[in-house]
Amino acid sequence: DTEVTQTPKHLVMGMTNKKSLKCEQHMGHRAMYWYKQKAKKPPELMFVYSYEKLSINESVPSRFSPECPNSSLLNLHLHALQPEDSALYLCASSQLFGQGVGEQYFGPGTRLTVT
Amino acid sequence: DQQVKQNSPSLSVQEGRISILNCDYTNSMFDYFLWYKKYPAEGPTFLISISSIKDKNEDGRFTVFLNKSAKHLSLHIVPSQPGDSAVYFCAASRISSGSARQLTFGSGTQLTVLP
Repeated sequence: DTEVTQTPKHLVMGMTNKKSLKCEQHMGHRAMYWYKQKAKKPPELMFVYSYEKLSINESVPSRFSPECPNSSLLNLHLHALQPEDSALYLCASSQLFGQGVGEQYFGPGTRLTVT
Repeated sequence: DQQVKQNSPSLSVQEGRISILNCDYTNSMFDYFLWYKKYPAEGPTFLISISSIKDKNEDGRFTVFLNKSAKHLSLHIVPSQPGDSAVYFCAASRISSGSARQLTFGSGTQLTVLP
């Protein structure tokens, strides 16, 4: 099973709302990632979790707050977003260094619209 | 500073012919290179990878070639099929903090295979 699931598929939120994106994988991967992708652009890395600990934060604004409750789950909490934050948010997982190529497996994404 | 570049935003190929997608990189710290395929409204799907110590890797209709001295790689698809029509992203991988691997993506090439 190489599936990464993400919920919801679509989300529309106002600038004062608080919402969360969820990601789940059951491949036993100990690295999980959040990416943001704008139209016609490549995915941009936001956060990396390794062994459930935040290891990389690519200078993401604090209105995005990641959480990794256990090795299978990854959340992204959203608060006071701006319209320019509207994008496709992708979750991915991979094995860690020393366990092969470490190719990342992506979920289908959550299409977020901030109004 | 774009560390991974795909200079062709689009490519059209006749069904049954060869598709060649190109990618250049600048950072010598990358030790694996990967190709991903992306359909609209879906997450990227891993296709094939190559280690920086190899010059070729083949998987069915897909072959990736690496020219390390030129910092250039290419993906060959033979024969091309209409279902191959998608955006193809080149990605370069390096070890990052916490033993996770960090991917840097190129800007993508839209491949269209004409029937």
